[in-house]
Amino acid sequence: GQQVMQIPQYQHVQEGEDFTTYCNSSTTLSNIQWYKQRPGGHPVFLIQLVKSGEVKKQKRLTFQFGEAKKNSSLHITATQTTDVGTYFCAGRRIGSARQLTFGSGTQLTVLP
Amino acid sequence: DTAVSQTPKYLVTQMGNDKSIKCEQNLGHDTMYWYKQDSKKFLKIMFSYNNKELIINETVPNRFSPKSPDKAHLNLHINSLELGDSAVYFCASSQGLRGQGGETQYFGPGTRLLVL
Repeated sequence: GQQVMQIPQYQHVQEGEDFTTYCNSSTTLSNIQWYKQRPGGHPVFLIQLVKSGEVKKQKRLTFQFGEAKKNSSLHITATQTTDVGTYFCAGRRIGSARQLTFGSGTQLTVLP
Repeated sequence: DTAVSQTPKYLVTQMGNDKSIKCEQNLGHDTMYWYKQDSKKFLKIMFSYNNKELIINETVPNRFSPKSPDKAHLNLHINSLELGDSAVYFCASSQGLRGQGGETQYFGPGTRLLVL
């Protein structure tokens, strides 16, 4: 079955440092979504990428979809304590009528 | 108004008991889901319903039975609770035909289940 792995599983950074999480799928994806879950909260949709090589930005967050549509990354510039949480990617396999498969998540801690 | 709501928020119960979690969405979405999130934050889909029809049923013990009385509600009943059932259960919904995926999913606040 489709697997979506994220690395790293955990990341501690000092406030102001940059952070990147990587998402890798075992199969080609039709699109990929990113979600953020604050501690004690629920996953909240951030963005969707559809095109090969697509790059989207949201303030300090930069999202990228790989050329082969099998990997994606989320980069946060100059982290803030409000960035703390778990970041999930979620993708749907091309040609599949199945649901989104969520990645394993990256738990980000930002130290003040 | 809360888009996706779940009750209860916390559930502490003894092993062997039967319990239910309720979920309602007021977004007019066609598809609803149940996810289980373990202590390592892994999010695993359990069930998906589209217009009251079960379309996804992952490898979940028969003790878990979803029920969708209408497309705005998806409840989860769990029989004979076990220690390993302790987790956070999230309900979610999305707009989409037969839950084909790719649509944004809106999650409820979660139900934190602890089985003693």
